[in-house]
Amino acid sequence: AQKVTQAQTEISVVEKEDVTLDCVYETRDTTYYLFWYKQPPSGELVFLIRRNSFDEQNEISGRYSWNFQKSTSSFNFTITASQVVDSAVYFCALRHTGNQFYFGTGTSLTVIP
Amino acid sequence: EAGVAQSPRYKIIEKRQSVAFWCNPISGHATLYWYQQILGQGPKLLIQFQNNGVVDDSQLPKDRFSAERLKGVDSTLKIQPAKLEDSAVYLCASSLWPWKKQPSGGDTQYFGPGTRLTVL
Repeated sequence: AQKVTQAQTEISVVEKEDVTLDCVYETRDTTYYLFWYKQPPSGELVFLIRRNSFDEQNEISGRYSWNFQKSTSSFNFTITASQVVDSAVYFCALRHTGNQFYFGTGTSLTVIP
Repeated sequence: EAGVAQSPRYKIIEKRQSVAFWCNPISGHATLYWYQQILGQGPKLLIQFQNNGVVDDSQLPKDRFSAERLKGVDSTLKIQPAKLEDSAVYLCASSLWPWKKQPSGGDTQYFGPGTRLTVL
């Protein structure tokens, strides 16, 4: 069965602190795709990153970075120097070679000014 | 480029009433998805269309939910009759290609603002 686990339900940090959001996935497929989405209070899910299973290179985009480790089935997301605007619910998702996307239950991040 | 449009943004109905939601995907996106997101949970796929055909509706409660995408563009999702447990945000998303034909990012889904449904 395909499954995405985001064990951290809620996280609070003070502005300018770094924070890492964990994502652990399960799949029997060798080809699969991982995603991160941000859902601000307005409700719309905003695409952040897509990664395929053959590309384990970490990626950095501004204050955002992603650490993909197949050995531990993890795809963690780090925000450096957090800002109040980063406050949102963040979802990790998995798509295997079938049709469906599987979303985790989300991590609610609050950045305190 | 315009994003995914949904309407209405909010809807309050009583149980056993009917309700319909509308979605207009990003222009040129062949695949359209409807998700249900209950408070505190991740989105759950209800139905996926490729052009005007259904790819996956395995989690759609077909006794009360229906969806169509007649011309391969706009889509409507209907609930009839509504139950209290249908209270949720209904999200529409679209992606560029059928993923089998465009593996390099064409499967990335772009979401609309959602419709928040409250069933009293």
